[in-house]
Amino acid sequence: DIQMTQSPSSLSASVGDRVTITCQASQDISNYLNWYQQKPGKAPKLLIYDASNLETGVPSRFSGSGSGTDFTFTISSLQPEDIATYYCQQYDNLSYTFGQGTKLEIK
Amino acid sequence: QVQLQESGPGLVKPSETLSLTCTVSGGSVSSGSYYWSWIRQPPGKGLEWIGYIYYSGSTNYNPSLKSRVTISVDTSKNQFSLKLSSVTAADTAVYYCAREIVVVTARLFDPWGQGTLVTVSS
Repeated sequence: DIQMTQSPSSLSASVGDRVTITCQASQDISNYLNWYQQKPGKAPKLLIYDASNLETGVPSRFSGSGSGTDFTFTISSLQPEDIATYYCQQYDNLSYTFGQGTKLEIK
Repeated sequence: QVQLQESGPGLVKPSETLSLTCTVSGGSVSSGSYYWSWIRQPPGKGLEWIGYIYYSGSTNYNPSLKSRVTISVDTSKNQFSLKLSSVTAADTAVYYCAREIVVVTARLFDPWGQGTLVTVSS
């Protein structure tokens, strides 16, 4: 199984801050990585696919980068509505695993 | 706009079989462009992929759950279903169904159902 290590597990930032979350795969997964946003009591929502492609309708302040084993998710200017838990998810070799999640709070 | 809705018992006894159904509206489970997945989330914890089914009946399961999982599809009802046998308290979770889209090499879950909480308890 491919393990995904996401960090930090929680993060507190101010409105307008640049926020970065990292995800490391236990082996090379090329760019087979998605990022999801989950608000309390809701289902996850796709934000980024194939490591860096922004899903249609998702604000451009969200971005992703990386390949191989190391990936980064960035919010360029944190907004109050971005409070949520964020998950990375790999899909290599038709077996899918998620990172542990990063809970983002407003300072 | 495709929507998915989970349904089934909210309480299951230990050692019994958990059974859930996902009803798809606004689209067809028979579409060859998609796979249909189940994903779960224990309370306060992260996400775990359970498995998927293709309209033809082809399946792929998480190796850690494979011995207990069966996913099936009913194209006449536009539904797909999950059975998880021999459940324990560790199977208590919110269960989500989701459509899996394949875009060239990308595989992504979109949309998701709202989720249904299943508690395993006597």
